[in-house]
Amino acid sequence: QQQVKQSPQSLIVQKGGISIINCAYENTAFDYFPWYQQFPGKGPALLIAIRPDVSEKKEGRFTISFNKSAKQFSLHIMDSQPGDSATYFCAASDTGRRALTFGSGTRLQVQP
Amino acid sequence: DGGITQSPKYLFRKEGQNVTLSCEQNLNHDAMYWYRQDPGQGLRLIYYSQIVNDFQKGDIAEGYSVSREKKESFPLTVTSAQKNPTAFYLCASSMTSGNFETQYFGPGTRLLVL
Repeated sequence: QQQVKQSPQSLIVQKGGISIINCAYENTAFDYFPWYQQFPGKGPALLIAIRPDVSEKKEGRFTISFNKSAKQFSLHIMDSQPGDSATYFCAASDTGRRALTFGSGTRLQVQP
Repeated sequence: DGGITQSPKYLFRKEGQNVTLSCEQNLNHDAMYWYRQDPGQGLRLIYYSQIVNDFQKGDIAEGYSVSREKKESFPLTVTSAQKNPTAFYLCASSMTSGNFETQYFGPGTRLLVL
C-alpha cells in the first residue's frame, strides 16, 4: 500500500527556473514530512523538513509548502542550478513508528 | 568524524547463500533502520530498532533478519529465503532534535546475485 504518492516522476528545468515536486499522503497520523536529496550511488541526505503546525518553511532556495486539509505537501526549488540535478524523495512519519514512508522519487535535471 | 558506515560497498551473493551487511554509527543515536531501494523506486522499510535488543519488522521483512546487540551496530542478514535480493541497501539512524526527527543515511551497499 503506497501511502505517499509523489509526482512528477521526472522533471527537466532550465537553470534559474523553479522546480516544483508534489506529494500527497493518506495516513492522517503522519506528523513529520522531510524531503531528501539523493545523488547516484549515494545515500539520501536530508534537505528540509516540516511539521503540520506550519504551512510553509523556507531554507535558502528550498521551500516546503504544506496543506494539511488536502493532505498534500510540495517542494519548491527557486533559482534551480545544475548542481541541484538529483533524485528527490518526499517522506512522512508518525511519532509512534518513527520510520519513514517514502514517495517514489522525482529525478530532477537542471539544464545549463 | 561522526557518521554512518556501511560495508561492503558491493556484495555478491550466490544462490542459497546468506549474506550479512554491516551498519555502524558513532552518532550516539538510539534508533536505526534498514531500507531497500530498487531502481527508479523509493525506499522501503525492512526492519527498524528503537533501542538495543529490540527491533520491529518493517513493510518488507520477509527473507531478512537483524540483530541489535550494541547501540552502534545494526547488521542485516539477507537469507536464502529472499528470492529477489538484488537492490541497494541503505542503513539509517536517527536522533530527536527539537520538534523534528532527523534520519541520517549511510552510503549504502549494493547487493548483486551471481
